[in-house]
Formats: sequence, structure tokens, C-alpha cells
Amino acid sequence: GAGVSQSPSNKVTEKGKDVELRCDPISGHTALYWYRQSLGQGLEFLIYFQGNSAPDKSGLPSDRFSAERTGGSVSTLTIQRTQQEDSAVYLCASSPGTIPAQETQYFGPGTRLLVL
Amino acid sequence: AQKITQTQPGMFVQEKEAVTLDCTYDTSDQSYGLFWYKQPSSGEMIFLIYQGSYDEQNATEGRYSLNFQKARKSANLVISASQLGDSAMYFCAMEYGNKLVFGAGTILRVKS
Repeated sequence: GAGVSQSPSNKVTEKGKDVELRCDPISGHTALYWYRQSLGQGLEFLIYFQGNSAPDKSGLPSDRFSAERTGGSVSTLTIQRTQQEDSAVYLCASSPGTIPAQETQYFGPGTRLLVL
Repeated sequence: AQKITQTQPGMFVQEKEAVTLDCTYDTSDQSYGLFWYKQPSSGEMIFLIYQGSYDEQNATEGRYSLNFQKARKSANLVISASQLGDSAMYFCAMEYGNKLVFGAGTILRVKS
């Protein structure tokens, strides 16, 4: 079956612009995660969605970052007023959601964001 | 808080030989899970192997095995019969709440 997909694969934007990154999880997976991978910080958790529960936003680095998940499937990560330090690879992952804390997370190919 | 330490920034291995990638972790939880992921130059994170803290046997998946030493809090990845396609970054991770906590990674280069 299809894996996790993300779009766009690459995004170049100017400082101050808003960007939207999209994630399509594996069909049937109720748990969805966003991570950020940057040279200086490694892999960092950003946000977690599980079904209809309130998302865990504890990893979002500032109020410029937000995410939503519509219909329990597709998720969009939005970065407002982008800064150069937002340049990174944004990875989305999903898991079945049966026992989220013990499940394997399957990752998408990522979106490479470059803020000029 | 959970912490993952990978002390080897880079490793070389000769093709067809075995290699061990180190991972130590810190947690006060009794129940936890440990994961290894491979990230080739294409960027995608590929799940390799999982070890649960209560699993009595070391996990194995094909050429990958996990040398799990609970008392020492280590979960080293062993890759047998290395192949050129194994050249990649390897991450050890631990589940913590609703997220994975990753180590800094080890770059593995397989020489022909």
C-alpha cells in the first residue's frame, strides 16, 4: 500500500512569507506526527495528532508554527512569517494509533524548506 | 527526561563484514520501546528494528539485530554482511509519551 506522502518535496521562500506543508498519512493510521530535522538541532518533535483528541503541541518552537488535521487524515503544518532559522527538513510520520507509545512510526520523504 | 546517546559520529566498514552501531539511553520508565531508523541520502527515514523493554529475546530483522543490554541501558544495532547500500545515517530512538526522541545519528560508510 501507499506510504506517507508529503508535499511539496522542496520549498524555497523569502523571509517573512508564510508556508504550508502537507502530509498524507498511511490509510487507516489515526496517529500523525510532525518532526523537524536541522543541522544544529537534529531531529525534533513538533506536534502529534491522535484521532479526535486535542493535539500535543508541546514541540512547536514558537507561535508562528501551527498545524491542523482535517477529517482525521491529511495534516497541514503552517509556518507564518518564516525566518532563516526555520530552514530544515520537515518530516511527517504516521502510526496505526492502537497503542501509540509503542508503535512503529512510518515516515514520509520530508519537505526541504529553505528560507532566504 | 529521556535521552539517547550515539557516540560514533561516523563509522567505516568493509563490504561483507559486520558492524556495530552504539546506542545508549537514559530513562526512568520500566516500559519503553527502542527503535532504529536508517536515513539514506534521499532523506527518507526507514524503520529497521524495534526492541521492547520487556522483550526477552534480542530483536532480529534479516541482517539487522539488536544487542539489547537492559542493565547497561544499551541497544546497539548490528548489521551483518554489510552491503554498499547500507551506507546511510542511522538513528537510534526511544518512544517517550507521544513522540520519538532521537540520538544524533551515526554516518555509516561501507567500503568496497
